[in-house]
Formats: sequence, structure tokens, C-alpha cells
Amino acid sequence: GESVGLHLPTLSVQEGDNSIINCAYSNSASDYFIWYKQESGKGPQFIIDIRSNMDKRQGQRVTVLLNKTVKHLSLQIAATQPGDSAVYFCAERGTGNQFYFGTGTSLTVIP
Amino acid sequence: DVKVTQSSRYLVKRTGEKVFLECVQDMDHENMFWYRQDPGLGLRLIYFSYDVKMKEKGDIPEGYSVSREKKERFSLILESASTNQTSMYLCASSPLTGLYNQPQHFGDGTRLSIL
Repeated sequence: GESVGLHLPTLSVQEGDNSIINCAYSNSASDYFIWYKQESGKGPQFIIDIRSNMDKRQGQRVTVLLNKTVKHLSLQIAATQPGDSAVYFCAERGTGNQFYFGTGTSLTVIP
Repeated sequence: DVKVTQSSRYLVKRTGEKVFLECVQDMDHENMFWYRQDPGLGLRLIYFSYDVKMKEKGDIPEGYSVSREKKERFSLILESASTNQTSMYLCASSPLTGLYNQPQHFGDGTRLSIL
């Protein structure tokens, strides 16, 4: 089955700096990817998604990059704020229309 | 905004009890999902449903069953609770994929403890 992992379990950044969170996936047939944010005591919240026919997509202060050659996904957060502190994880849609989720990176923003 | 509501935020039950976790979504979504979330393991799919009275096993269905009698409601049932089912349970919903890619929307979870 698919496996989705993250390079770092924790990440600390200074307020105002940019954050980069990485994700590796294993199924080259996956066609759709999502980044979620999960704050303490809450469910995962959709941030941004990207289809496999794209390599970059931008939202408000967030950018997702997809490198299909090395099966790598990244989330960039510009001008990181204290409210960005949370666990971030990626999800890929594999075969059978199921989603597979990474274990998450815990982002801490230092004021 | 999509609203996925799980009936309980925290639940404590005893070993051997039959446990019901309820989930309701208000966006007329066809797809509904139950996951459990454990530290270091991420989200693992227990069961999902693409339509009323329809269910499919996910990756870890053992010890669980589900019920979908109405489109907006998806229930997870622990037939005989065991301590290894202590976990955070997350419900999600999404519209039919069709030609469009649609993310899943999650509830805030039920933290279940089995004593």
C-alpha cells in the first residue's frame, strides 16, 4: 500500500520567517494531494490541495510544490505567525479513491 | 462552510461495552469516513461509505462496524470495546469525486478511552 511520510517530525521557526514542511509519497499513480493543519484539540483543517498535473499552487500565504520525479510534496508558509503553530500533514489519493495520510510535522512558531 | 459534527468530544467506556460514535454532516456529501489517529501512526482508515446503506472496509476494520441509514449520518460501532481501541476517532465527509478533486472535511474528533 501507499506510504506517506514526513522528513522532520518537528520544526521551529521565528515569527515572520518562512516555513517549509516536506512530505514524501510512494505511489507514483497518486493523482491528488492535500495539506491539512491540525491544531490541538481540533480536527484536521484543509489548507490547500494540488492535482498531479500541476507542480505549484498558491493560496493565501501558503504555496504547495509537487515534484513528481522524486515523489516529494512541500508546503511553504510565508511570514509565519503564532497562529500557524500546529501539526501539518499531507495526504495523497491513491488507488481506489482512498486517501493516505502522513504522520505529521509539528510546527512551533517562536515569537 | 462544511460542518462535520461528532456527537462526543470525550468518551470513557469499559472493556467489553458496545460503543457508538456518531457523526453528522450538513453538506449533503455522498462520502463519509471513519479514521483513528494514534501518535506516530497518522490517520488510519477504518470504514467508509459512498452512499446510504453502503459500506466498505478500510485498512483496519477489525473490531469495528458502521451504519449509514441516512445520508447525513455515519455511525461507528465498537462491538466489544478493548483497551487497544483507545484512540482519537475522526469522522470526515466529501462529495462524490467525479470529475473534480475534493478534499475530505473533518470533525473535531472523539477522544475515546477504554478502561
